Amino acid sequence: QVQLQESGPGLVKPSGTLSLTCAVSGGSISSSNWWSWVRQPPGKGLEWIGEIYHSGSTNYNPSLKSRVTISVDKSKNQFSLKLSSVTAADTAVYYCARRIAVAGDWYFDLWGRGTLVTVSS
Amino acid sequence: EIVMTQSPATLSVSPGERATLSCRASQSVSSNLAWYQQKPGQAPRLLIYGASTRATGIPARFSGSGSGTEFTLTISSLQSEDFAVYYCQQYNNWPPLFTFGPGTKVDIK
Repeated sequence: QVQLQESGPGLVKPSGTLSLTCAVSGGSISSSNWWSWVRQPPGKGLEWIGEIYHSGSTNYNPSLKSRVTISVDKSKNQFSLKLSSVTAADTAVYYCARRIAVAGDWYFDLWGRGTLVTVSS
Repeated sequence: EIVMTQSPATLSVSPGERATLSCRASQSVSSNLAWYQQKPGQAPRLLIYGASTRATGIPARFSGSGSGTEFTLTISSLQSEDFAVYYCQQYNNWPPLFTFGPGTKVDIK
């Protein structure tokens, strides 16, 4: 079955760039799904960051759009997140997720286990 | 941006009892609503989409209802494994902007 696995540094300095990768295994990233990033600050709720299709088309949360870049590497079956100019407010567990788009229903049916990224000097 | 609210923030329920969770949207999202369950240290798990369709493998004790701005997740008879935080999420925008509610924590009474 398809699995998602996040990887990347767990500590990023303020004003730096957070970089994470999500590896897709057991299936192709070129399937008819979108691939998303969602984050969750410690003890708080979920915030959608953005998503990418295998063609390279992207959608971003307007609140983060100026700082976010999501890219896809079909040869490696993975997609990546870059978040620039980070502050302590960006400290969170970052999840990658598969977003289904079928018959008008859009939902996240598959999630990675999440990775905690702390912004601190 | 469509803002989602959930009530109550915490619901204390005894095992075997019924739990009713509410979710409200700041404007109509039709039936474009999903529910997720999250346990400590775990990723969210999809329960319901399309406001009332159970996801694959989800027990029948979970049911969703509602449309427009008012939605309900009902757990008919709480099992020990159901104590968790539940989030609603709307998907009614174009371009996509998925927003989640703040969550309802279901704990043991």
